[in-house]
This record gives sequence, structure tokens and C-alpha cells, in this order.
Amino acid sequence: NAGVTQTPKFQVLKTGQSMTLQCAQDMNHNSMYWYRQDPGMGLRLIYYSASEGTTDKGEVPNGYNVSRLNKREFSLRLESAAPSQTSVYFCASSEAGTGAGNTIYFGEGSWLTVV
Amino acid sequence: EDQVTQSPEALRLQEGESSSLNCSYTVSGLRGLFWYRQDPGKGPEFLFTLYSAGEEKEKERLKATLTKKESFLHITAPKPEDSATYLCAVSQTGANNLFFGTGTRLTVIP
Repeated sequence: NAGVTQTPKFQVLKTGQSMTLQCAQDMNHNSMYWYRQDPGMGLRLIYYSASEGTTDKGEVPNGYNVSRLNKREFSLRLESAAPSQTSVYFCASSEAGTGAGNTIYFGEGSWLTVV
Repeated sequence: EDQVTQSPEALRLQEGESSSLNCSYTVSGLRGLFWYRQDPGKGPEFLFTLYSAGEEKEKERLKATLTKKESFLHITAPKPEDSATYLCAVSQTGANNLFFGTGTRLTVIP
């Protein structure tokens, strides 16, 4: 019972490099999310996808792009990494949107360091 | 401005010493209040959802309650394995996001 699976777990990038974080869920959920978690701050939404083919910006979308490849997969891309993007990234999913009170389930996280 | 504030930031308890964590919120159109547990190096693990004032939910040594302004997570006779960061989050009607507090880091000493 995998739930939400993210790869890679750890990554070190040089400033200006690009990379993609991969996420897949096996719960047949419609909605998927990317959050970042920084010390002293709550989890903040980067992007949200209500369904395959749709994406919406969250609180902190600058410097990121996303792709909802199919119902299971939602990837996050950093085109030109900056030190400010050093963070822990969490992918999550829910049956439907949280505006209807649905619960979000999180993956184990991806630790990204940009030097 | 919509806000979620958790207190205290950190709490140290002796094993068996009951206490409560607080989550106060100022959001319009509350749709649900969520509690998560997060262990170091792990993702948040869902504990409870509360939908309306007066609602209570329990799981083992944890009990969550909700009023119109705040939620409490009561921990009864905690054990060392209850040590973790507890996160509170709220959802608003029509908004597809959870707004998180910064968490309470609980340490239970044997």
C-alpha cells in the first residue's frame, strides 16, 4: 500500500541547474499538490492539480513548473535552480479538492539543496 | 488576513504527563480543520479532520476538539513514541489549499 511516492529522496543541485521531482499516487485520487516546507514556516502550496490536464498556481509558484502527466503522476520542475529553492518538497493527493473538506495525504518528501 | 497559529512551539513532557496543544485560526468559511503528525525526515501523517464546532475525535491517546476559534489536541498519558511535530491546518470553502501552522514539537521523556 504505497500511497504517495516521490523521487528522488535527496538531491544537490548547483545554481542554474534544472531538475524534475517525480510523484505518483496509487489511491485513485483526483487532486494532487506540491508543497514546500521551510524552517519556521508552515507548509506552503506551490501548485495544485484538480484533475488530469489542469494545474493552478498556489502561494509560491515562482521558479517552478508542473505537469499532470495522467491521473497518477504529477511532476515538479525547477528550470534554473536558485539557493532560495533549498527546501523539503512534499507531494500530496486527495480524493477531491480541500474546499470540499477532503483530506490530503502526503508523500515522504524530497530534500533539495541548491549550492 | 487568514492565519493559523499553533502554540506552544515546543513542549517537553514526562511520560504519563497529560497536556494539550493549541491551534487558533482566523479564516473565513472554514471547511475543515486537520491535524497531522510529522516525524523527523518523514512526511505529515494524517490524524484527524474536524468539520464543525463542538466536534471531537479520538485515536489512542489523542483527542482533538474544535471551537469556532481554535482546536485543541489533548494528549493523555503520553509515551515516548508520541514524540513528533504536530501540525494543524485549515481548509476554506471553495479554496483548494490547506493553510498550515508552523507546528508544535512534542518531546516525551521516559
